[in-house]
Amino acid sequence: DGGITQSPKYLFRKEGQNVTLSCEQNLNHDAMYWYRQDPGQGLRLIYYSQIVNDFQKGDIAEGYSVSREKKESFPLTVTSAQKNPTAFYLCASSFSGSSYNEQFFGPGTRLTVL
Amino acid sequence: GQQVMQIPQYQHVQEGEDFTTYCNSSTTLSNIQWYKQRPGGHPVFLIQLVKSGEVKKQKRLTFQFGEAKKNSSLHITATQTTDVGTYFCAGVHRQAAGNKLTFGGGTRVLVKP
Repeated sequence: DGGITQSPKYLFRKEGQNVTLSCEQNLNHDAMYWYRQDPGQGLRLIYYSQIVNDFQKGDIAEGYSVSREKKESFPLTVTSAQKNPTAFYLCASSFSGSSYNEQFFGPGTRLTVL
Repeated sequence: GQQVMQIPQYQHVQEGEDFTTYCNSSTTLSNIQWYKQRPGGHPVFLIQLVKSGEVKKQKRLTFQFGEAKKNSSLHITATQTTDVGTYFCAGVHRQAAGNKLTFGGGTRVLVKP
């Protein structure tokens, strides 16, 4: 089945630790995105990548890092510099090349900092 | 900065009634998309509007894009319990690079049976 997967579903982290969230897609999409969602809030863009080996900061990139070494994968690292990392993290992908493409979302990872 | 605002934030609807949620952008949009997120789930694409004044229908859902391409609305008729969830609009601003979407805060819909 084609789709976008994220792991783990739930993640607990101690303060001061870095943690990496996985995002994989087999939809042959060029573009991938990371969003953060806080309870009762909308989605805020952290980072996005339109092509392998290239990525851009979104609106709230501070304290996060990404890599895009393969078309299928776009892992997100939440670093210890992120002041308030507890949130629901959503990965998405889409075709690129025009601004008229829907985004497909993964099931998300709920990160809790203890 | 580029912002997208949605109202109302919450919508309590009696089953069978109609309601409308509104989306307003601070700048002109290239297109607008609507997504639905069920409780505990992830956003799922509903529709995309591109042309000024465009109207699209999906069964009981009617989507509109304003003439100035700065606002949009979603109207649901004869609300059902399956309509429960949060509806997000997301716009691509003309000045934005690539496919970067700016999401509104969402309208959380609760249906009273």
